Amino acid sequence: GDSVIQMQGQVTLSENDFLFINCTYSTTGYPTLFWYVQYSGEGPQLLLQVTTANNKGSSRGFEATYDKGTTSFHLQKTSVQEIDSAVYYCAMRDRGYNQGKLIFGQGTKLSIKP
Amino acid sequence: EAGVTQSPRYAVLQEGQAVSFWCDPISGHDTLYWYQQPRDQGPQLLVYFRDEAVIDNSQLPSDRFSAVRPKGTNSTLKIQSAKQGDTATYLCASSFDGRDTQYFGPGTRLLVL
Repeated sequence: GDSVIQMQGQVTLSENDFLFINCTYSTTGYPTLFWYVQYSGEGPQLLLQVTTANNKGSSRGFEATYDKGTTSFHLQKTSVQEIDSAVYYCAMRDRGYNQGKLIFGQGTKLSIKP
Repeated sequence: EAGVTQSPRYAVLQEGQAVSFWCDPISGHDTLYWYQQPRDQGPQLLVYFRDEAVIDNSQLPSDRFSAVRPKGTNSTLKIQSAKQGDTATYLCASSFDGRDTQYFGPGTRLLVL
C-alpha cells in the first residue's frame, strides 16, 4: 500500500546550522508531496507543497525538492533559528480517485540549541 | 477569518466510557477530515466528508467509532466505549475541496485510563 517514511526521528542543531530532512514514499500513482510543521500544542500547518510538475517549492526560508528517480523528497534550510524548533512531517496525497487522503510520515523533531 | 475550531481541548476517561469531539470547519470548506495522532507519530486519517457524505471511512474502527456531518458544516466524532489504545490527539481539518490545502484545528487530547 501507499506509504511515507521518515527515518530521522530527532535532529538537534545549533542556530545557523544547515537543516536537511529526508523522506521516501511508495505509491503507484503520481503524488503531490507536502511538508507540514507542527508546533507544540497546535495542529499541523502546511509549510510547502511540491508536485511532480515543478519538483521544487520554497517558503519561509525552507526549500523542498523532489526526486522521482529515488522516490524521495527533502526539506532543507540554510540557516536554522530557534523559532524553527518543531516537528516536521512529510505527507503525500494521491492524485487518483482518493485525492483528499493525506498519508503522513512519522515526523522529525527538530531541536535548535541557542 | 476564523480557523478550524475543536472542542473540548482535553478529555480524560476511564476505559468503557463514551466521548464526543466536535469540529467547526472554516466557513465555505466543503471537505472535512478527522485524524488520529498517537503520541510521537504522524496523523492518520480516520474519515473524511464532502458536504454531508462520507467519502472514505476505511480506517475508522466502526465497532466503536462513529462520525457524522449532518448539514455539511460542523461534525462530531464519537467513541462509544473507549480503550487505552485510543489515547491520542484527535485532529479535525477542512479544505475548500478534496484537492486543496488542508487546514488543521488545534486538536483534542484524549487520555483513556
